[in-house]
Amino acid sequence: NAGVTQTPKFRVLKTGQSMTLLCAQDMNHEYMYWYRQDPGMGLRLIHYSVGEGTTAKGEVPDGYNVSRLKKQNFLLGLESAAPSQTSVYFCATTDRPMVQFFGPGTRLTVL
Amino acid sequence: GQSLEQPSEVTAVEGAIVQINCTYQTSGFYGLSWYQQHDGGAPTFLSYNGLDGLEETGRFSSFLSRSDSYGYLLLQELQMKDSASYFCAVGDDKIIFGKGTRLHILP
Repeated sequence: NAGVTQTPKFRVLKTGQSMTLLCAQDMNHEYMYWYRQDPGMGLRLIHYSVGEGTTAKGEVPDGYNVSRLKKQNFLLGLESAAPSQTSVYFCATTDRPMVQFFGPGTRLTVL
Repeated sequence: GQSLEQPSEVTAVEGAIVQINCTYQTSGFYGLSWYQQHDGGAPTFLSYNGLDGLEETGRFSSFLSRSDSYGYLLLQELQMKDSASYFCAVGDDKIIFGKGTRLHILP
């Protein structure tokens, strides 16, 4: 079992470019979450999903879109990347929101 | 709104005991969780308190007081490998994390 995987691990974008981050899980969890982590800011929730076909906004949703077409996948999209979106992005999954399992992270740099 | 407060840094000696406090303000509340994160790594789950009281898992214990909107993580018999950042988290389906406490351990 792979657990929670994130693709890609690293990415460099130019301002205005778009990209999609993929989170995949093989634990059959209902809940999936996308966070960003910046130095000194802890983890901030971007969007989350409580089940296949559902999405909801977190603390910092602006500039991001998400989709959960399949239970095992949660996609995070940046339509027009900005330098302020330079961050480490973590995906997490769970069947109990207070006990989350995190993926290894994606390091994104926007120039 | 939702907010969490925890100290930004704590320093302790190897073999000692350290307590990391967390106070919170939130609307939805299932309980209080704690996560550990080593430099360059992903957060990993440590402990969860859904009810008031103490939960113990090996060298780690966590406490919750709902009436005081307060909890803490207690680490005993500190080891160098415990040097990491520790985050408290609260919420319901929507989870909010604190900014983290960096634990420094001196030999």
